[in-house]
Amino acid sequence: GENVEQHPSTLSVQEGDSAVIKCTYSDSASNYFPWYKQELGKRPQLIIDIRSNVGEKKDQRIAVTLNKTAKHFSLHITETQPEDSAVYFCAASMSGTASKLTFGTGTRLQVTL
Amino acid sequence: DGGITQSPKYLFRKEGQNVTLSCEQNLNHDAMYWYRQDPGQGLRLIYYSQIVNDFQKGDIAEGYSVSREKKESFPLTVTSAQKNPTAFYLCASNNRGLNTGELFFGEGSRLTVL
Repeated sequence: GENVEQHPSTLSVQEGDSAVIKCTYSDSASNYFPWYKQELGKRPQLIIDIRSNVGEKKDQRIAVTLNKTAKHFSLHITETQPEDSAVYFCAASMSGTASKLTFGTGTRLQVTL
Repeated sequence: DGGITQSPKYLFRKEGQNVTLSCEQNLNHDAMYWYRQDPGQGLRLIYYSQIVNDFQKGDIAEGYSVSREKKESFPLTVTSAQKNPTAFYLCASNNRGLNTGELFFGEGSRLTVL
């Protein structure tokens, strides 16, 4: 089955700096890659996703890049703010949808003042 | 107010007892999922159901059982056969079909085995 590795497990940045979280996947058939944000004590929520026919996608301060050849994808957060502090999970699916997602182990991002 | 409701939020169980976690959604979603969340291990898929009266095992189904008798309900039973049941359990749902990317999660149920 699919295996998703996520790094780093913890990340601390100063407010205003950029943060990058990286994930690699094992199965070249994977074609859908979402990112979920889980604030402390809350449910995970989708923040951005990308499909295998696209190399990059942006939404305001967040962006995701995908390198199919290397089988890795990354989340980029620019101009970080304290409310960006959360656990971020990457995931991969071969179905093109959220069906049967395989999640990474999560990255705890701390944005300090 | 549309969404996914899980209950109970906290549950304590003695070893050897079965326990059932409830998950109800009023989003009219076809597919429902159960994930287990452990520190440092992300979310792991236990069972999923894409249609009423049908469900499939996920990556860690051993010691768990589910049913899908109604579209809006997908209860999870943690049986005494599950060796390490203490965990945070998340239910999710989404619509089937193309471009249905987003999983909608419930607030979770924390099970502690004493």
